[in-house]
Amino acid sequence: AQSVTQPDIHITVSEGASLELRCNYSYGATPYLFWYVQSPGQGLQLLLKYFSGDTLVQGIKGFEAEFKRSQSSFNLRNPSVHWSDAAEYFCAVGAGPGGYNKLIFGAGTRLAVHP
Amino acid sequence: GAGVSQSPSNKVTEKGKDVELRCDPISGHTALYWYRQSLGQGLEFLIYFQGNSAPDKSGLPSDRFSAERTGGSVSTLTIQRTQQEDSAVYLCASRKGGNNQPQHFGDGTRLSIL
Repeated sequence: AQSVTQPDIHITVSEGASLELRCNYSYGATPYLFWYVQSPGQGLQLLLKYFSGDTLVQGIKGFEAEFKRSQSSFNLRNPSVHWSDAAEYFCAVGAGPGGYNKLIFGAGTRLAVHP
Repeated sequence: GAGVSQSPSNKVTEKGKDVELRCDPISGHTALYWYRQSLGQGLEFLIYFQGNSAPDKSGLPSDRFSAERTGGSVSTLTIQRTQQEDSAVYLCASRKGGNNQPQHFGDGTRLSIL
């Protein structure tokens, strides 16, 4: 069965520090991979996605992620975190026959940023 | 342009009552999804509509849950005889046709069952 694991429930970093959020997936076919961010009381905002091609994908707000098939990972990185990046981050894999329809989400990682 | 719109943003109701949650997708998006976000279960897929195809209902937790999509646009998620475990945030998403398109989410409806 398809699944997504985000090993870190909470992460705290200082403003200006670098960040890496881990994501591992289990999916038999070529995965469609996503990172979403959720601020309190808000819906999910797409940060970036991987469908095919270059395994290093750039997203909004200075985020990037690297797809590593051999490790079944899609870790999210930011070289310099801003206080406004404090939020919950969800990794997801698109699953379904013939491509992707529904998303399977990880449990999320809550990011706190210290000034 | 306008994003996915959900209403109401908050709903408080008594156990046993029926509730209806509404989703207006982004114009032109052919696919529409409902997800549930709760403390114990995280983000769970509920149901998926794609054009005129039969919906994928595989995520609905019980027969108290149903959804419809009228005219290929607006969708309503109905929960009958609500239970306290139905308390959650219900998120709607829509997507253009094609596998290379991401899902865009609304801000959700926070449902509280007393």
